[in-house]
Amino acid sequence: GENVEQHPSTLSVQEGDSAVIKCTYSDSASNYFPWYKQELGKRPQLIIDIRSNVGEKKDQRIAVTLNKTAKHFSLHITETQPEDSAVYFCAAAGGTSYGKLTFGQGTILTVHP
Amino acid sequence: DTGVSQDPRHKITKRGQNVTFRCDPISEHNRLYWYRQTLGQGPEFLTYFQNEAQLEKSRLLSDRFSAERPKGSFSTLEIQRTEQGDSAMYLCASSLAQGAGNTIYFGEGSWLTVV
Repeated sequence: GENVEQHPSTLSVQEGDSAVIKCTYSDSASNYFPWYKQELGKRPQLIIDIRSNVGEKKDQRIAVTLNKTAKHFSLHITETQPEDSAVYFCAAAGGTSYGKLTFGQGTILTVHP
Repeated sequence: DTGVSQDPRHKITKRGQNVTFRCDPISEHNRLYWYRQTLGQGPEFLTYFQNEAQLEKSRLLSDRFSAERPKGSFSTLEIQRTEQGDSAMYLCASSLAQGAGNTIYFGEGSWLTVV
């Protein structure tokens, strides 16, 4: 089955800096890669996703890049703000089980004012 | 609120008791998923339905766990003879089934504590 590795496990930045979180996946058939933000005690909320037919997608301060050859994808947050502090999860899905997301282990992002 | 709703939000039960969680998906969504999340970990897939059919079950779903979606709308997840290792947040999610990669929306989760 699919295996998703996520790094780093914790990330601390100063407000205004950029943050980058990286994930690798094992199943070359995976074709959907969402990123979720989860605040303490809350639901995972989708912040951006990318499908395998594109290499990059941007939404305001958030961007995701995908390298299918290397089987890795990354989340980029620019001009970080304290409210960006949360746990971020990458996930992968596709192949024969479209709806089944396999999640990474999560990255605790702390943005210091 | 038109999102995914789950009930109860919190449940404390004694070991050996049975518990049942309910999930109401977003109304037009025909796919429904159950995930389990423990502290410090990402959600782990348990099972999913397309309409009333249960299409896939994880090995994590032991025979003490059963999920149903009898009319293709709401779903229930029952855990029999609970164990302390069952303590976790049980997340329900839903999506449309139109090929791969449709956005999956999560509910707020049902926290289970087995004492």
